[in-house]
Amino acid sequence: DGGITQSPKYLFRKEGQNVTLSCEQNLNHDAMYWYRQDPGQGLRLIYYSQIVNDFQKGDIAEGYSVSREKKESFPLTVTSAQKNPTAFYLCASNPGQGENTEAFFGQGTRLTVV
Amino acid sequence: QQQVKQSPQSLIVQKGGISIINCAYENTAFDYFPWYQQFPGKGPALLIAIRPDVSEKKEGRFTISFNKSAKQFSLHIMDSQPGDSATYFCAASMWFVEAAGNKLTFGGGTRVLVKP
Repeated sequence: DGGITQSPKYLFRKEGQNVTLSCEQNLNHDAMYWYRQDPGQGLRLIYYSQIVNDFQKGDIAEGYSVSREKKESFPLTVTSAQKNPTAFYLCASNPGQGENTEAFFGQGTRLTVV
Repeated sequence: QQQVKQSPQSLIVQKGGISIINCAYENTAFDYFPWYQQFPGKGPALLIAIRPDVSEKKEGRFTISFNKSAKQFSLHIMDSQPGDSATYFCAASMWFVEAAGNKLTFGGGTRVLVKP
C-alpha cells in the first residue's frame, strides 16, 4: 500500500536530548513537509522540501533540523534548543508543483518531554 | 500572524442537522482552499477542496462555499452523522506560485460533535 509512515508513534524525550522523528513515503512524491500540531492552534509548518538535498524553513523552524538525502525520507530532529517540544508532529507529502496539490499526511508522532 | 482564521472552535449538532464552519483569509495570493478532516490520534485527510474560479463545490454531504470578494470560505456538512464527529481544518495555499512550495496554511480547527 502506498502512503506515509511515521515512526515512532509515541516518543519520550528527556530535557536536553535531541530526538529524531522518522518519515518515509512510497508515493514517489517530490515535496515533503513537517507540521507541528498543538491543541487549538491548528498545524504550523516547521520545514519543507521540494526536492532531494534541498529544504526550506517554515514558520516555526527554530530548534528543529531536517535532511533530505533520499526522495522517500525526510527525518526531523528536535534539538535541545527547542524550548517547548511537547506536541503532535505530522509529516506530509504531495507530488510537487504543477501536480494535484492534495497533501497526504502520516499518522503522526506524539512527542513528550519528561 | 494568523493568515487563516477559522470559527467556531467547537460545534455540537444533532444527527441530521447541518454543521457550518467558516474561514477567512488575508493573503489574496492564495488560490487553493482545501478542507481536512482529522480523527483523534490520526493524521488529517483531505475532505474537499476548491479553487477561486468557482463559488461552490459539492461532494456528497459536504459543500464548500467560496466568496472571493469577502476572502471567506465555508464548509457545510449536510445531514450530519455521528461518524462525522472529528476536527475539521480549513487551509490555503498558493498553488500557482512555484516558490511557495505548495505549503498549506491552516486555520485553528473546529471540533465537531454530532449527537445521535
